[in-house]
Amino acid sequence: NAGVTQTPKFRVLKTGQSMTLLCAQDMNHEYMYWYRQDPGMGLRLIHYSVGEGTTAKGEVPDGYNVSRLKKQNFLLGLESAAPSQTSVYFCASSYSRQANGYTFGSGTRLTVV
Amino acid sequence: RKEVEQDPGPFNVPEGATVAFNCTYSNSASQSFFWYRQDCRKEPKLLMSVYSSGNEDGRFTAQLNRASQYISLLIRDSKLSDSATYLCVVNGGGADGLTFGKGTHLIIQP
Repeated sequence: NAGVTQTPKFRVLKTGQSMTLLCAQDMNHEYMYWYRQDPGMGLRLIHYSVGEGTTAKGEVPDGYNVSRLKKQNFLLGLESAAPSQTSVYFCASSYSRQANGYTFGSGTRLTVV
Repeated sequence: RKEVEQDPGPFNVPEGATVAFNCTYSNSASQSFFWYRQDCRKEPKLLMSVYSSGNEDGRFTAQLNRASQYISLLIRDSKLSDSATYLCVVNGGGADGLTFGKGTHLIIQP
């Protein structure tokens, strides 16, 4: 049982490059979330999805886009990477908004130079 | 804006001691409460839920005071393996899900 899988685990980008982070869950969860974690800032919500075909903005959505074409996948895109987007990105999923906690992926460490 | 406030620490505690963390939350409509544990460079993992009546899981005890909007975690007989960052987490009931505190860093010393 894989749970939540994030790819890639590490990436270094040059300023202005684009990339897509993939989150895949095999638990049939409706809700999926993308967070970023920076030192001293805690986990901040970027975008989320309440079901296949839906997306919504979180606390810090600027510079990111997302898609949820399939229920099991939630993609996070950076169209033109900036050094301020250097961070650790975590994906999470839950079966409902009242779920007893989330299941997190192991994270993607992104450095933009 | 929904906020969850925690003392960042670090808390340096000798092995075998009892340690307590607190957090406060601003959203009075919050519906569920959790403590997560995060090890260095790893993903957060659910430690325990927090109920109004208080709940215990082995050496860990969690308490919720809705009137004061305050959550606590008590760790008894601390082990070296308890060294981690402990995140206070609140679910406001909205679709945007959980709000995380910035975490309290705990170091258990031999």
